[in-house]
Order: sequence, then structure tokens, then C-alpha cells
Amino acid sequence: GENVEQHPSTLSVQEGDSAVIKCTYSDSASNYFPWYKQELGKGPQLIIDIRSNVGEKKDQRIAVTLNKTAKHFSLHITETQPEDSAVYFCAARPGSSASKIIFGSGTRLSIRP
Amino acid sequence: DAGVIQSPRHEVTEMGQEVTLRCKPISGHDYLFWYRQTMMRGLELLIYFNNNVPIDDSGMPEDRFSAKMPNASFSTLKIQPSEPRDSAVYFCASSLAGTAGYTFGSGTRLTVV
Repeated sequence: GENVEQHPSTLSVQEGDSAVIKCTYSDSASNYFPWYKQELGKGPQLIIDIRSNVGEKKDQRIAVTLNKTAKHFSLHITETQPEDSAVYFCAARPGSSASKIIFGSGTRLSIRP
Repeated sequence: DAGVIQSPRHEVTEMGQEVTLRCKPISGHDYLFWYRQTMMRGLELLIYFNNNVPIDDSGMPEDRFSAKMPNASFSTLKIQPSEPRDSAVYFCASSLAGTAGYTFGSGTRLTVV
């Protein structure tokens, strides 16, 4: 089955700097890659997603890139702000699934003032 | 819409007792997912439903766990008997076929003592 690995597990960056979180997946037929942000005491919230027919997608300060050949995708946050501090999860939907997605292990991002 | 609603928010119970967690998905969503989150194992998919029918329960850890979805607006996850190792945050999420993105509830923090 699909396996999603996420790195790093913790990340601390200076406010205003960029943060990058990387994920790899195992199922070459996976076709959908969402990213979730989880704040303390809340459920994960979808922040951006990308489909396998697209290489990059941007939404204001966040962007995702996908390399299908390498089975690798990344989240980029620019001009980080204190409210970006949270746990971020990448995920992948296996090609065999109509809806089930598999989550990575999460990255705890801390923004230093 | 009020989003995905879970109850209770917190549950403390004694080992051996029955625990029932409840979820109301977003109206119109046809997929419902139950996840368990722990520090050690991250986000684990327990079971998911499509149009009230269980599709994949391979993540349910033991026969002590059961889930039902009697109608499109309500689902329960039951643990009987509960054990200390069941302590975790349990999330319910719903989605609409074709849109792929999940909406998570705020979770139920279960503590079994």
C-alpha cells in the first residue's frame, strides 16, 4: 500500500524567512496530494492541494511542488509569520482509492520572533 | 454550515467501560472518515464510509472497536471495553466525492484510566 514519509519532524525558522517541508510517496499511481495545517486543539485544516497533472501551485505565501518522477512533493511557505506556527501534514491519495488518503507523520513548524 | 461536529470534546473513562464517540458530517458530503491521532502513530485511518456504507475498516485495531453510520447525518465510533492504550484524539472528517478535500471536526480527546 501507499506509504508517505515526511521530513523534517520539527522545523524552526526566523519570522520572515522561508520554510520548506518535504514528502515522498511510494505508489506511483497516487494522483492527489493535499497539505493540512493543524493548530493546537483543532482538527487538521486543508490549506492547499495539488493533482498529479500539475507541477506547481501557489496560493499567496504558500506553494506546493510535485515531482512525479521522483515521487516527491514539497510545501513552501514564504515570509513566515507567527500564525504559521502549527503542525503540517502532507498526504497522498493512492491510485486505487476513490477517496482514502494516507498522511505523513507531520512537521511541527515554529516561527521565532 | 457549522462544519463537522463531534461530541463529546473530552471523555475520561475507566478501563473496561464502553465509550461512544459521535460525529455529524457536513450536509451533502457522501464520505465520512474516522481517524485516531497519537504522538507515536500520528494520524491513522480507522474506517471510512461512502453513502453510509462501510468501505474500508482495515484500520480498526481490534474487535473492541466498531463504527456505524445509520444515516447520512450521523456516525458513531464505539469502543467496548476500553483500555488505557485507546487514549488518543479521535477525529471525524467528511468529504464530497470529486472534490477530494476533507473537512475535519475538532476531535474527541479520549482518556482511559
